[in-house]
Amino acid sequence: QSVLTQPPSVSGAPGQRVTISCSGRSSNIGPYDVHWYQQIPGTAPKLLIYGNTNRPSGVPDRFSGSKSGTSASLAITGLQAEDEADYYCQSYDSSLSGSVFGGGTKLTVL
Amino acid sequence: EVQLVESGGGLVQPGGSLRLSCAASGFTFSSYAMSWVRQAPGKGLDWVSTISVGGGRKYYADSVKGRFTISTDNSKNTLYLQMNSLRVEDTALYYCANGLGVAGPFDYWGRGTLVTVSS
Repeated sequence: QSVLTQPPSVSGAPGQRVTISCSGRSSNIGPYDVHWYQQIPGTAPKLLIYGNTNRPSGVPDRFSGSKSGTSASLAITGLQAEDEADYYCQSYDSSLSGSVFGGGTKLTVL
Repeated sequence: EVQLVESGGGLVQPGGSLRLSCAASGFTFSSYAMSWVRQAPGKGLDWVSTISVGGGRKYYADSVKGRFTISTDNSKNTLYLQMNSLRVEDTALYYCANGLGVAGPFDYWGRGTLVTVSS
């Protein structure tokens, strides 16, 4: 059972928009930043969004992040086949004094 | 180009020990916090440990506290994870990553080294 809660799977057709939610609590997402990672099967995770809303250089603007209260979301617009991957949210938890990840969401492009 | 290359994984019996290494290049190693994150086969990401810039603070997941020790050698640009009293549930692909600190983000990741704990 992960500290941050994500849906196990989401899907969408090419060109559509999908969102992935990440739910936490007052000891983690509430006061701390949320970061998102993309993991294509068989490869290492890659930083996708940092500080709730910021994209590292090279990440397409089709990817966007938001945070409200104790929840965060990742939105992907204009879905492409190459977006098929696992997506993880991550934050800090003050009650655990450590970093925490969501359980991951598998995105399927139909 | 940032490169992180993990090594030291392998098959070990329950109760045994292993030391993982992560060789870093392409960035100023001493200016970054370094972390270990693991992924059990078919499972999600699981944060293990972080060492702060300068090495003054070390953070551990409860599941490894007292058994694992994180350290760095800035002269060799290398991160280590000493793993003792290994358990079957420690079986995973272990990634190293750099970043700002324990709260993340974890900017760049290596390809991982596989640790298998089995009798």
